[in-house]
Amino acid sequence: DGGITQSPKYLFRKEGQNVTLSCEQNLNHDAMYWYRQDPGQGLRLIYYSQIVNDFQKGDIAEGYSVSREKKESFPLTVTSAQKNPTAFYLCASSIRGASYNEQFFGPGTRLTVL
Amino acid sequence: AQKITQTQPGMFVQEKEAVTLDCTYDTSDQSYGLFWYKQPSSGEMIFLIYQGSYDEQNATEGRYSLNFQKARKSANLVISASQLGDSAMYFCAMREWNNDMRFGAGTRLTVKP
Repeated sequence: DGGITQSPKYLFRKEGQNVTLSCEQNLNHDAMYWYRQDPGQGLRLIYYSQIVNDFQKGDIAEGYSVSREKKESFPLTVTSAQKNPTAFYLCASSIRGASYNEQFFGPGTRLTVL
Repeated sequence: AQKITQTQPGMFVQEKEAVTLDCTYDTSDQSYGLFWYKQPSSGEMIFLIYQGSYDEQNATEGRYSLNFQKARKSANLVISASQLGDSAMYFCAMREWNNDMRFGAGTRLTVKP
């Protein structure tokens, strides 16, 4: 079964700690994305990657970092510099480039900072 | 700049009736795609329907149809024969050529029995 997995589903972190959210896809997609969603709000783009070993900042990249060492994996690190990290994080992937390709989403990770 | 606008934060519809969720967009590209996603309370994003900028006919997928008015830059989602399971957040999105996808703020739809 092809798809996107995110782990963990729920994550709790103490203030001041870095935490890494996992995202893996087996859809053979070149492009991968990280979004943040706050309660009752839309999706805001954090980072995206169109190809291995390359990634670009989205609209709200401050306090986050990513890596893209493998096509299948695009982990997101929420650093202690992110002032308000409690949110729902969604990872997505798509075929690169064409405007007609939808994004496929993972189930999301709910991060709570205690 | 905000490229996708959904002006209805919340909508109510009676079960078995049709409902239209509004979406307007802004782009200077000729080639782009418009998408609608459904997000139930579980949080997953479910792809519903796609409309290409060059498509002359409105897209349809089962009970979902997209009312595409290119000159007005609108891409409204029409859900026919609403069901209780349609209660969710609905997001309109646009993807320009070789660009990332942009989402609207969403509309929360509640279907009343």
